[in-house]
Amino acid sequence: AQSVTQPDIHITVSEGASLELRCNYSYGATPYLFWYVQSPGQGLQLLLKYFSGDTLVQGIKGFEAEFKRSQSSFNLRKPSVHWSDAAEYFCAVGAYSGNTPLVFGKGTRLSVIA
Amino acid sequence: GAVVSQHPSWVICKSGTSVKIECRSLDFQATTMFWYRQFPKQSLMLMATSNEGSKATYEQGVEKDKFLINHASLTLSTLTVTSAHPEDSSFYICSARGNDEGNAYEQYFGPGTRLTVT
Repeated sequence: AQSVTQPDIHITVSEGASLELRCNYSYGATPYLFWYVQSPGQGLQLLLKYFSGDTLVQGIKGFEAEFKRSQSSFNLRKPSVHWSDAAEYFCAVGAYSGNTPLVFGKGTRLSVIA
Repeated sequence: GAVVSQHPSWVICKSGTSVKIECRSLDFQATTMFWYRQFPKQSLMLMATSNEGSKATYEQGVEKDKFLINHASLTLSTLTVTSAHPEDSSFYICSARGNDEGNAYEQYFGPGTRLTVT
């Protein structure tokens, strides 16, 4: 069964500092990987996704993620964090199958300090 | 493209009443829709998977008689919380998967419905 692990429950970074959120997955076939962001009381917003091809994926809001098959990882990065990036971040893994839902990690809460 | 709407965005109801939440794919057809529940400061928990024209498949521990799911068309799925109780208060999020080659890999998420049962 597929699973996603986000080892960091809560991360605090200073505004302007770089950010890396970790995501490890377990999946038997080629995974389709996603990062979502959720602000309090809001729905999910897709930051970026990986299906195939270039393993470094660019997303919205200056985020990028790198797929490393050998490490079963899909870490999210941003070179300079803004206060507005404070939110909950979810990594998810899926498959190209109509009835197979995305499996989410438990999320990482990002706090940004001045 | 690939927009999913939910209605209502928030609802307050009294204990013992039923509440219906609608999920619509606005610009694409979705054979499969998923319903998630999210408790405060937690991740999304899959409740059920619904396919157009057939019965929903519920995850273990989810009461199918309490959470009625209907997927009557390729653009509409509904979740009805029957005889709601305060413990049903939560954030409910629906998601739709496209039918076409270009959008079958993704799930598109609605904005969520905040249910408060008093």
